[in-house]
Amino acid sequence: DSGVTQTPKHLITATGQRVTLRCSPRSGDLSVYWYQQSLDQGLQFLIQYYNGEERAKGNILERFSAQQFPDLHSELNLSSLELGDSALYFCASSATGGGVETQYFGPGTRLLVL
Amino acid sequence: GNSVTQMEGPVTLSEEAFLTINCTYTATGYPSLFWYVQYPGEGLQLLLKATKADDKGSNKGFEATYRKETTSFHLEKGSVQVSDSAVYFCALSDRLGSGNTGKLIFGQGTTLQVKP
Repeated sequence: DSGVTQTPKHLITATGQRVTLRCSPRSGDLSVYWYQQSLDQGLQFLIQYYNGEERAKGNILERFSAQQFPDLHSELNLSSLELGDSALYFCASSATGGGVETQYFGPGTRLLVL
Repeated sequence: GNSVTQMEGPVTLSEEAFLTINCTYTATGYPSLFWYVQYPGEGLQLLLKATKADDKGSNKGFEATYRKETTSFHLEKGSVQVSDSAVYFCALSDRLGSGNTGKLIFGQGTTLQVKP
């Protein structure tokens, strides 16, 4: 158990809909990351937050947004969903968000868009 | 840009065989290198890491040495077990290139299947 929790575990929705994925980091970690894992794109970095502020942005679509709240949990919002958004979405956390740190991954949310 | 290339899988070995999974990288700065493992139905777990050239990371019998001259970080284990069956990801974090953000760039993953 990494100490990172993600909800829900599975999500099935229809095209055009909006969903919210939730992540709670390990106790004491200030930085949260979101990654997308799909068969065609592999594992891709989406976005990083540190102590409530956006720190780095990767290949995140404009239809996607995220935020980190004062209690340090994070939410990833996916809107106008398309079939191609079906993927496994991982959240990870680390202590301060630096490049040498270990990132601890949650179990993921599997999103299926029908 | 930064990238990581891993050997194609799947890799199928018999128990107690020697394992090598090749990983090479391209980076503009001074990357830290990682191996993560993903067991079926689970998230990724750090297996080992190295943060500077010539460092050797090791854990649970797995080893990898950060070779700057060949831009490589190959994963090795002397004797694999059935329980090592999983997907292995090589990754880098380019502190200079990304402003020390911790952003990880992953290889495509290599599936290892160990047969009894």
